[in-house]
Amino acid sequence: RKEVEQDPGPFNVPEGATVAFNCTYSNSASQSFFWYRQDCRKEPKLLMSVYSSGNEDGRFTAQLNRASQYISLLIRDSKLSDSATYLCVVKRTTGFQKLVFGTGTRLLVSP
Amino acid sequence: ETGVTQSPTHLIKTRGQQVTLRCSSQSGHNTVSWYQQALGQGPQFIFQYYREEENGRGNFPPRFSGLQFPNYSSELNVNALELDDSALYLCASSLETEAFFGQGTRLTVV
Repeated sequence: RKEVEQDPGPFNVPEGATVAFNCTYSNSASQSFFWYRQDCRKEPKLLMSVYSSGNEDGRFTAQLNRASQYISLLIRDSKLSDSATYLCVVKRTTGFQKLVFGTGTRLLVSP
Repeated sequence: ETGVTQSPTHLIKTRGQQVTLRCSSQSGHNTVSWYQQALGQGPQFIFQYYREEENGRGNFPPRFSGLQFPNYSSELNVNALELDDSALYLCASSLETEAFFGQGTRLTVV
């Protein structure tokens, strides 16, 4: 079983739709949580950190449920430019800090 | 954009050869991590260097090795290349919290 699991998609949605991605992690020692965005053939870029209290950045809302070891990302009013792969990431510190990535969920927003 | 630069951007090597990939970290960042991203997968942690010492390693064989220099730039060396080593190799530099990725080196082994 992978340490971070995501549905690879693709999720095909029309512009303006609301879409939600989910992610589960298996290591309870995971300390920090993030969503990264990766465009085709580019490097991953930090989209947002994820907190238990939930956090929002414009059209993006992220939520963490530590008890269920579950992370979510909600995108409202989808834009064509949101088309990308969204990577769920956990950070563990066991002597050193390490990012553990899910396989990513691909989103395609169409006109 | 991130201040992390990798070279070369693309590379084609033959099976059995050796390769060196380079990474210049963002100014002041003393920690560099390397990741391998195969097609359709998320990045996989290879190893991390902190102040010129390897301080963490993922599940990669010894033919994957690295260095960090006094200016915190880093190299990833891969010996005896195999076809499955074909991937995007990403370098990330960090100081305390956020990791910043370079644009990656796309390695193709034929």
